[in-house]
Amino acid sequence: EAEVAQSPRYKITEKSQAVAFWCDPISGHATLYWYRQILGQGPELLVQFQDESVVDDSQLPKDRFSAERLKGVDSTLKIQPAELGDSAMYLCASSLNPQDNEQFFGPGTRLTVL
Amino acid sequence: GENVEQHPSTLSVQEGDSAVIKCTYSDSASNYFPWYKQELGKRPQLIIDIRSNVGEKKDQRIAVTLNKTAKHFSLHITETQPEDSAVYFCAASQGSNYKLTFGKGTLLTVNP
Repeated sequence: EAEVAQSPRYKITEKSQAVAFWCDPISGHATLYWYRQILGQGPELLVQFQDESVVDDSQLPKDRFSAERLKGVDSTLKIQPAELGDSAMYLCASSLNPQDNEQFFGPGTRLTVL
Repeated sequence: GENVEQHPSTLSVQEGDSAVIKCTYSDSASNYFPWYKQELGKRPQLIIDIRSNVGEKKDQRIAVTLNKTAKHFSLHITETQPEDSAVYFCAASQGSNYKLTFGKGTLLTVNP
């Protein structure tokens, strides 16, 4: 069964350093999502792509976060510089298209900022 | 924007009992309501969903009900089993991009 892949699974970094996370969605899925999940809370959408275009980044802290999906397939989320409050699980999800609704999640990247 | 409230935050039941988790939403335009199960250290997985043109949906031991007038929906799990223990998240979808807004989750513990 096809799954969303993410790497790395765990990342420990010091504040002010740069970090990057990678996501490979299920083949053929046009819509890709990056979520941040703080411990004890539900996922919060950071950015949504439709193919290579950003369709929603209203909750993305653009002063330090950036995301790209250059060829409309895999995607990278970057934080520079990382802050203590960025410690969280970063989840990637994909769906065939937005109207399809069902989102398939990856295993996530657990980020710890020291 | 949309706001989704979920209750209770923790729920403990005995094996075989039923469990009910409730969510309310604020945006009357929301039209899709999924429920995700997240086991410790694992990815969220969709377990059931309902659209706004349906009042109830059932899949074996799991059911979801939707009251559009009151803007709330509920997850019902019958004959609970220890493997049902997990965090359950409700969500509501709204807008032209079908954005999902999640509740804060319910930690369900089923005691053998």
